Amino acid sequence: GNSVTQMEGPVTLSEEAFLTINCTYTATGYPSLFWYVQYPGEGLQLLLKATKADDKGSNKGFEATYRKETTSFHLEKGSVQVSDSAVYFCALSDRAGGTSYGKLTFGQGTILTVHP
Amino acid sequence: DAGVTQSPTHLIKTRGQQVTLRCSPKSGHDTVSWYQQALGQGPQFIFQYYEEEERQRGNFPDRFSGHQFPNYSSELNVNALLLGDSALYLCASSLVGTRSSYEQYFGPGTRLTVT
Repeated sequence: GNSVTQMEGPVTLSEEAFLTINCTYTATGYPSLFWYVQYPGEGLQLLLKATKADDKGSNKGFEATYRKETTSFHLEKGSVQVSDSAVYFCALSDRAGGTSYGKLTFGQGTILTVHP
Repeated sequence: DAGVTQSPTHLIKTRGQQVTLRCSPKSGHDTVSWYQQALGQGPQFIFQYYEEEERQRGNFPDRFSGHQFPNYSSELNVNALLLGDSALYLCASSLVGTRSSYEQYFGPGTRLTVT
C-alpha cells in the first residue's frame, strides 16, 4: 500500500535560517504530492502541491519538487520566520477517477519551531 | 466563499457512549472525507462519501459509520466509544470530476475526548 515517511523531528531553527524537511514516499502509479501545515489548535491547510514528476510546488516562500526517481518531495524555505512555527505534513493522493478516489495518505508530521 | 465547517469544536464523552460529528463541505464541493488524527500523529483516512454513499473506507472498525445528505453535508458516527477513540476528527471536502478533484480542503476539526 501507499506510505509516506518524513524526517524525524522536532526541528528548531533561528529566524532567517534555511529549512529542509525530508519526505519520501511509496506508491503505485503516479500519485499527487502535497505539503500541509497545521498551526496549534487548528485543522490542516494546504501549503503546496505537485501533480506530476519534476513539478515544483511553491507558496509563501516554501518550495518542493516532485522527484520520481528518488520518490521524494522535500520541503524547503530559504529564510524561515517565527510565524512559520507549526507542524508540517507530507501527503500523497491516488489520482481521483476510476477506482481511485483521492484518499490522502499522510506522514507522521514534523514539528518546526523558529526562534527570534 | 464558505470553507469547510465542523461541529462541535470540542466534545467529551464516556466510554461506551455514542457520538455524532457534523461537517459542511466547502461551497461547491460534493465529496466529503473523514480523517482521525491521534495526538502527535498524522491523520488517518476513515472513509469518503459521494452521492450519499460510502465510496472508500480505511482500516477502521464498523463502529465508525457515516452519512451524507442531499446538500452534501456529512455526519460521522462512532458507537461504543473506547478510550483510544480520543482524537481530532477532521473533515475534508473535494469536488469530483475536476482536475483538482484530488485536492482536499480541511475543516478545523472536532476534538473528541473519551473518559
